[in-house]
Amino acid sequence: AQTVTQSQPEMSVQEAETVTLSCTYDTSENNYYLFWYKQPPSRQMILVIRQEAYKQQNATENRFSVNFQKAAKSFSLKISDSQLGDTAMDFCAFMKHGGAQKLVFGQGTRLTINP
Amino acid sequence: DADVTQTPRNRITKTGKRIMLECSQTKGHDRMYWYRQDPGLGLRLIYYSFDVKDINKGEISDGYSVSRQAQAKFSLSLESAIPNQTALYFCATSVAAGGPGTDTQYFGPGTRLTVL
Repeated sequence: AQTVTQSQPEMSVQEAETVTLSCTYDTSENNYYLFWYKQPPSRQMILVIRQEAYKQQNATENRFSVNFQKAAKSFSLKISDSQLGDTAMDFCAFMKHGGAQKLVFGQGTRLTINP
Repeated sequence: DADVTQTPRNRITKTGKRIMLECSQTKGHDRMYWYRQDPGLGLRLIYYSFDVKDINKGEISDGYSVSRQAQAKFSLSLESAIPNQTALYFCATSVAAGGPGTDTQYFGPGTRLTVL
């Protein structure tokens, strides 16, 4: 079974700073996807970024980028130029390629951006 | 209009009551999922369905049942609610495996359920 671990329950930074959220996972699969979702106070689950395990290039989406280290089973999220609207609960998630497409989530990191 | 809707958005009920949470989608997706979110535990899969006739248990199905009434509708029932089922419940949808975008799940807005 796959597991996802987020070791930072809470983080807090000042607006415009860069912040990195950590995520590690455990799997015996070779082909899979990794995701970061954010959940703002509205509680909606919003996909931030995705990474396909077979791709060596790290995914980027505007101010969001990942550092994917397959051998180390690490998938961190970097948020540059953080904004007040980035305040949210952030979840790392794993999905095995094919099959049932079940998402396995980490415990979440509560990120607060301070003005 | 939202592509994935959930009703009710909030619900308070008492121990022992039967309750149904409903999910509807207009995305035309075959696959639908129910997750529950608890503080410090993230989201965990309760049930999932590949189509109307294919329903599968997830990680934490005990105490829950589901019904896939149509491709667009997937309901979650608590036959006899208990306080530790107090949580935030999410429905999600995705296209079937094999096509583009198969790894992406689309979430509803969530239902906050409190069992007293």
